[in-house]
Amino acid sequence: EIVLTQSPDFQSVTPKEKVTITCRASQSIETSLNWYQQKPGQSPKLLIKTASRSFSGVPSRFSGSGSETDFTLTINSLEAEDAATYYCHQSSHLPLSFGGGTKVEIK
Amino acid sequence: EVQLVESGGVLEQPGRSLRLSCTASGFTFGDYTMSWFRQASGKGLEWIGFIRSKVYGETAEYAASVKDRFTISRDDSKSIAYLQMNSLKTEDTAVYYCGRHGGGSSWTTEYWGQGTLVTVSS
Repeated sequence: EIVLTQSPDFQSVTPKEKVTITCRASQSIETSLNWYQQKPGQSPKLLIKTASRSFSGVPSRFSGSGSETDFTLTINSLEAEDAATYYCHQSSHLPLSFGGGTKVEIK
Repeated sequence: EVQLVESGGVLEQPGRSLRLSCTASGFTFGDYTMSWFRQASGKGLEWIGFIRSKVYGETAEYAASVKDRFTISRDDSKSIAYLQMNSLKTEDTAVYYCGRHGGGSSWTTEYWGQGTLVTVSS
């Protein structure tokens, strides 16, 4: 089973700041890594698929990078509406798995 | 517009069974793999399993934590995916989500429903 380790667990950020969240896989998953945003009381929404491809309708301030075992989600110029928990998710090996989540709070 | 609506979540006793439904619209349901996930209150996301489209054999895969108790099926004529949950345990208490994968054999869930709450308690 592939374990995904996200860091940090929590981040308090000022609007317009840049946010970087990392996700490390316990073994190579090539680029089969996706990022989701989940706001309180809502279902997750896909932001980035296959490590770096932005999903339809996602603001351009969200970007992803990485391959093999190390991945990054970057939010450029954070906006108040970006307050949420962010999860990485690997779709390379069964069982599919998620990172523990990173909660982003707006200062 | 892709829409997924889960239903069937209730308060149920341990040991009992429950079937959740995921009703889809806005796309050709039969062309896509469908997944189920759950999220306990205040916790992270857990994949339960998925069922492939007919062209990929309509076969299902499951997480070890639910294999032998949960079964995923689909009715393409009604655009519904089902999650049959047997021998319920208190630790099955969670919000259950269905999701639609990307096209082909993709294992990436692109769209999620709003979730339905299952509470298992005596």
